[in-house]
Amino acid sequence: AQSVTQLGSHVSVSEGALVLLRCNYSSSVPPYLFWYVQYPNQGLQLLLKYTTGATLVKGINGFEAEFKKSETSFHLTKPSAHMSDAAEYFCAVSEASGSRLTFGEGTQLTVNP
Amino acid sequence: DADVTQTPRNRITKTGKRIMLECSQTKGHDRMYWYRQDPGLGLRLIYYSFDVKDINKGEISDGYSVSRQAQAKFSLSLESAIPNQTALYFCATSDALGTGTGVLGSGANVLTFGAGSRLTVL
Repeated sequence: AQSVTQLGSHVSVSEGALVLLRCNYSSSVPPYLFWYVQYPNQGLQLLLKYTTGATLVKGINGFEAEFKKSETSFHLTKPSAHMSDAAEYFCAVSEASGSRLTFGEGTQLTVNP
Repeated sequence: DADVTQTPRNRITKTGKRIMLECSQTKGHDRMYWYRQDPGLGLRLIYYSFDVKDINKGEISDGYSVSRQAQAKFSLSLESAIPNQTALYFCATSDALGTGTGVLGSGANVLTFGAGSRLTVL
């Protein structure tokens, strides 16, 4: 079975500050890992994904995440937060390409001016 | 027009009523999904379909049914709605395969979501 835990349901940062959203996963086989973002009143959009290869993954809008097998983590970072980054972020895991995604509980990011 | 269209966007109904949420897509994707979003619980999979003749239960299928009328259409039904089915429902699609090109690429786990259908059961 696979699962995802997102540490912190709410994160607040100042504009220009580092964004760090935490995600830990559990999987019995090598995982595929994803971050999705949900802006207000919209569906989810893919930010980035890790399948195989390089463990540091770059996504859209300046976000990146690093797969750390030893820590079973896939934390999302952005060096400098913008007001437009305010949204809910979801980490997700699957056990193989084509299998179902399991989502975490979500982290609401607030960016203060 | 949106790639994945859900109707209705908002619906208020009463306990015991039958409700259908509809989803249509122009992506040409084979795979379609219905998720439910509740605050603090993330998204949970209700049903999914890998092609027109393939329907599979997700983790929370009790009280729901689906129909895949065509490759582009996937509807979710609540035969007798109850208040704890009040939630935001999302339809999503994905390719069966993908080249993985570009920053995000495509592929079976790259989901394209609709804007959601907010259902309230009184």
